[in-house]
Amino acid sequence: DAMVIQNPRYQVTQFGKPVTLSCSQTLNHNVMYWYQQKSSQAPKLLFHYYDKDFNNEADTPDNFQSRRPNTSFCFLDIRSPGLGDAAMYLCATRPTGGSGTDTQYFGPGTRLTVL
Amino acid sequence: SQKIEQNSEALNIQEGKTATLTCNYTNYSPAYLQWYRQDPGRGPVFLLLIRENEKEKRKERLKVTFDTTLKQSLFHITASQPADSATYLCALKYSSASKIIFGSGTRLSIRP
Repeated sequence: DAMVIQNPRYQVTQFGKPVTLSCSQTLNHNVMYWYQQKSSQAPKLLFHYYDKDFNNEADTPDNFQSRRPNTSFCFLDIRSPGLGDAAMYLCATRPTGGSGTDTQYFGPGTRLTVL
Repeated sequence: SQKIEQNSEALNIQEGKTATLTCNYTNYSPAYLQWYRQDPGRGPVFLLLIRENEKEKRKERLKVTFDTTLKQSLFHITASQPADSATYLCALKYSSASKIIFGSGTRLSIRP
């Protein structure tokens, strides 16, 4: 089945230790998003790619970086995680042609714990 | 800036009844509004989209309304079932923006 996959599902890191979260998709969608969601809060957009074009949200901390080496994969790098970065990180995709171009398809998320 | 308000209190409904969730927004109306379902520890799943010029959309037991005068969308689940228990997120897309903005969601519990 076509889908959005996130690995790992659970990630534990130490304060200040770099961590990378990964997302892959078999949907062949042009647009990929990274969201941060804290408990009982709305998903907050960190950045998105339209193909290779990177779009950073103005309030996304410099501590967060992203890479998209090809259509299928996208990575979220947190250079020096702080306790406040503990959250669920959601990857989503969206097509830009055909029907359903307004729908985002989410992965299951990676729960990040910072010790 | 645009603000989205969803019931922060959890909604508890008896099985078989209609559940109604509210999404209110400020300022100008979005181009469209979406509803997503999110289960604990999972990513949101798209349910329905309603555009600015539409009053109502239906899909099986789900119904969404959009009132641009009241700046409100209502999401209804008829004949509710315990399996409908989840958090439901409202999301808005404005024509001038490239992204959608999510509300914080309403947690719905359907008791048998």
